[in-house]
Amino acid sequence: QSALTQPASVSGSPGQSITISCTGTSSDVGSYNLVSWYQQHPGKAPKLMIYEVSKRPSGVSNRFSGSKSGNTASLTISGLQAEDEADYYCCSYAGSYVFGTGTKVTVL
Amino acid sequence: QVQLQESGPGLVKPSQTLSLTCTVSGGSISSGGYYWSWIRQHPGKGLEWIGYIYYSGSTYYNPSLKSRVTISVDTSKNQFSLKLSSVTAADTAVYYCARDRGYSGSPFDYWGQGTLVTVSS
Repeated sequence: QSALTQPASVSGSPGQSITISCTGTSSDVGSYNLVSWYQQHPGKAPKLMIYEVSKRPSGVSNRFSGSKSGNTASLTISGLQAEDEADYYCCSYAGSYVFGTGTKVTVL
Repeated sequence: QVQLQESGPGLVKPSQTLSLTCTVSGGSISSGGYYWSWIRQHPGKGLEWIGYIYYSGSTYYNPSLKSRVTISVDTSKNQFSLKLSSVTAADTAVYYCARDRGYSGSPFDYWGQGTLVTVSS
């Protein structure tokens, strides 16, 4: 299984909204509503932000939302804040788990 | 609050076997309902799922690593372990243990802090 494709970097100003894409295939993202998103700050473990495409775990800000269309899933961060600056990874189930290539989010 | 903690050697020689243990606190592996995974991250790179184990001992591995991976569980110690054989420099990575929600494709909701393993002579 090949890694899911994400843009290497996305940036935005505080208060703005940004969207990170995660492109897979009909065998992974397109076949299962089992896409999750993780936030990772430098030197830290990943943190679950979204699961099953659009569900938010308890304690995660409602500024984070997820969606999917065809073979592409998306994570939107609205009202961008300085603390959102981190790496973000998508993950899809495809019989086993496959992660995305990762996106560095920069808050300008 | 479930907590996971990886432990093991930080340096492994090429061709040898990498061995790591994950100790779980705040919850019992033997209570069932969750899968316990190993995930790694090469330096400056993305994440790679290695495999998982259930408390009963049933396992499932990433097909790309299956021939070299063994994951085992010790419910008496509330630990699970990873062995990766015939390592090369390409196995240098931060290794994380994690818990998922216990169904196929479920997300990883608890993670250890990660431990860096370097493969070098």
